Amino acid sequence: NAGVMQNPRHLVRRRGQEARLRCSPMKGHSHVYWYRQLPEEGLKFMVYLQKENIIDESGMPKERFSAEFPKEGPSILRIQQVVRGDSAAYFCASSPIGYSYNEQFFGPGTRLTVL
Amino acid sequence: AQSVTQLDSQVPVFEEAPVELRCNYSSSVSVYLFWYVQYPNQGLQLLLKYLSGSTLVKGINGFEAEFNKSQTSFHLRKPSVHISDTAEYFCAVSQKEGGADGLTFGKGTHLIIQP
Repeated sequence: NAGVMQNPRHLVRRRGQEARLRCSPMKGHSHVYWYRQLPEEGLKFMVYLQKENIIDESGMPKERFSAEFPKEGPSILRIQQVVRGDSAAYFCASSPIGYSYNEQFFGPGTRLTVL
Repeated sequence: AQSVTQLDSQVPVFEEAPVELRCNYSSSVSVYLFWYVQYPNQGLQLLLKYLSGSTLVKGINGFEAEFNKSQTSFHLRKPSVHISDTAEYFCAVSQKEGGADGLTFGKGTHLIIQP
């Protein structure tokens, strides 16, 4: 059973471009979480999705950021018009059941660099 | 809302010596507690978690943690560390009520094992 997969692992964008980060959860997992890790910081929760639904987006910046988890295919975190402050590692996690005591399984992350 | 404090950003320890990584949390509601480990350029891996019951929790790789409700702490310990334990360690909480929840992480502690 393959783990959580994220691609690309590294992404370089110039200011103003769009960044698309993909996350394929573990087989059988229908709950996906996105986190952002800034340098020298812990992970910060961004958004929690189930298939075709956003459950909690309380950690998402109000502008330029969006996320989706379609019925088919990976979850996508989209950042429009990137700025230097968006440079960070973005981690996706998945779990089989949407309960807070459940282990979340993390992917290897996408490291976004904005030039 | 909850918060997690890891007071030590770095902990250097000699190989085969014991180690304790400190974690304190603050929350207005009951929480579940987790420790995750992050090896360089990898995603996070669950070490152990406290849900209820015995306050001493044993995890993988010889780690254990003790939940202290009165001190709102969940310190991680290992009696004898190995070079391979060099990594970043994150303490995290999720709230018990309200269903699924994104994790709230501390800033992490870098464990450095010296030969």
